[in-house]
Amino acid sequence: AQKITQTQPGMFVQEKEAVTLDCTYDTSDQSYGLFWYKQPSSGEMIFLIYQGSYDEQNATEGRYSLNFQKARKSANLVISASQLGDSAMYFCAMREVLTSGTYKYIFGTGTRLKVLA
Amino acid sequence: SAVISQKPSRDICQRGTSLTIQCQVDSQVTMMFWYRQQPGQSLTLIATANQGSEATYESGFVIDKFPISRPNLTFSTLTVSNLSPEDSSIYLCSVAEAGEAFFGQGTRLTVV
Repeated sequence: AQKITQTQPGMFVQEKEAVTLDCTYDTSDQSYGLFWYKQPSSGEMIFLIYQGSYDEQNATEGRYSLNFQKARKSANLVISASQLGDSAMYFCAMREVLTSGTYKYIFGTGTRLKVLA
Repeated sequence: SAVISQKPSRDICQRGTSLTIQCQVDSQVTMMFWYRQQPGQSLTLIATANQGSEATYESGFVIDKFPISRPNLTFSTLTVSNLSPEDSSIYLCSVAEAGEAFFGQGTRLTVV
C-alpha cells in the first residue's frame, strides 16, 4: 500500500531563516506525483508545489523548493526566508493512479510550522 | 487552476440533524473528492464523486451516513446525516485537474 510519512509533528524556525520539512513516501508505481499543501488556521488547503516522478529537476515556486531524492524516496519541502505568515500546518501528499485510470491522493500526517519573530 | 467555492464555511448543528455541504467548481471536472479532517488530524478521503453514477466510498464510510450527489460536472453536495459530536470536523471538497488536486475553502462543522 502506498504511504506518506512526515516524521516532524512540529517545527520552529526563526523569521528570515530557511527550514526543511521532511516527507518520505512508499510506492511501487513508476509514475507518481508528489505535492505539498499549506493549511493555515482558517482550514483551507493551499497548493504550494508539485514534483513529478519523472522530473529530473527539483521543483521550485518562489520561496518554496522541493528536494526530491528519488532513490531515497524523499520529497522534502524547503522554505527559504521564512515569514510570520508561513506559520501553518504543512501536508505532503502523493497522487496514486488507480487501476481504473482515476486518481486518489494520499496525505501525510502533517507538520505544524511556527515562525518566530 | 480550478476555482472551487464551498458552502457553508462553518456551521454549528444539533445532534441528530443533518448538514449538506455544497461544492461549486468554475470549470467542468471529472473527478471530485470529499475529505474529512478531524481535529488535529490529516485528511481522510470519504468518497470520490462521479457524475451520473453513485459515489465510490472508502472503507469506513457508508452512503447512508454520507450521501453524495453529483448532478453535473461542476457541482456536488455532501450530506452528513444523523450528526453526533464525533462528526465535528473540517470537510473539504477537492477536484483533480491535469493531475493536480485543488481544494475548496473547507466547511468547519461543530456538532453540539
